[in-house]
Amino acid sequence: DAKTTQPTSMDCAEGRAANLPCNHSTISGNEYVYWYRQIHSQGPQYIIHGLKNNETNEMASLIITEDRKSSTLILPHATLRDTAVYYCIVRASPGTYKYIFGTGTRLKVLA
Amino acid sequence: KAGVTQTPRYLIKTRGQQVTLSCSPISGHRSVSWYQQTPGQGLQFLFEYFSETQRNKGNFPGRFSGRQFSNSRSEMNVSTLELGDSALYLCASSLGGGTQNIQYFGAGTRLSVL
Repeated sequence: DAKTTQPTSMDCAEGRAANLPCNHSTISGNEYVYWYRQIHSQGPQYIIHGLKNNETNEMASLIITEDRKSSTLILPHATLRDTAVYYCIVRASPGTYKYIFGTGTRLKVLA
Repeated sequence: KAGVTQTPRYLIKTRGQQVTLSCSPISGHRSVSWYQQTPGQGLQFLFEYFSETQRNKGNFPGRFSGRQFSNSRSEMNVSTLELGDSALYLCASSLGGGTQNIQYFGAGTRLSVL
């Protein structure tokens, strides 16, 4: 199965950019990387996904390296409500609908 | 558009009993996936259903089973409950096709086994 690796925890000052890295070196060529976050054991919330190019939406930006082995989720102006566990996920293998969640990064936004 | 609905939200059972959890997907979504989340193991994939067929399965014992109905609603059943089955059970729905497949999660069912 494919695998993702993320730092266990990070702190970020309120109003600053939060940059959350993810290693997905085993990802296959046409597979997307998805980012979710989970607040207080609620259901994970979809944030953004990407394949090769950088992506941006109203919640965040996603930077994917050219070799696609890693990506960085950017929250441009973190607020206290962005405190959560952030997961990058990929499919276990091409064509399957089994998704692998890593351990995630616990982001704490500090006032 | 209504989101993914899971019922019940909380459940308390005793060892040896069985339990059935329900998931109603977003309208138009044909794929439903189930996950187990525990503090020790994190989020683990249980199985995925598409058009009433189990398409993918995780590494869980046969006590964990599921099904999907023609309206895409899904149920998950756990028989002969063990203490270690205490967890947050999440379901996610998606369109279920192509390489882009965004899953939308419900709030989960928190199961406590005593």
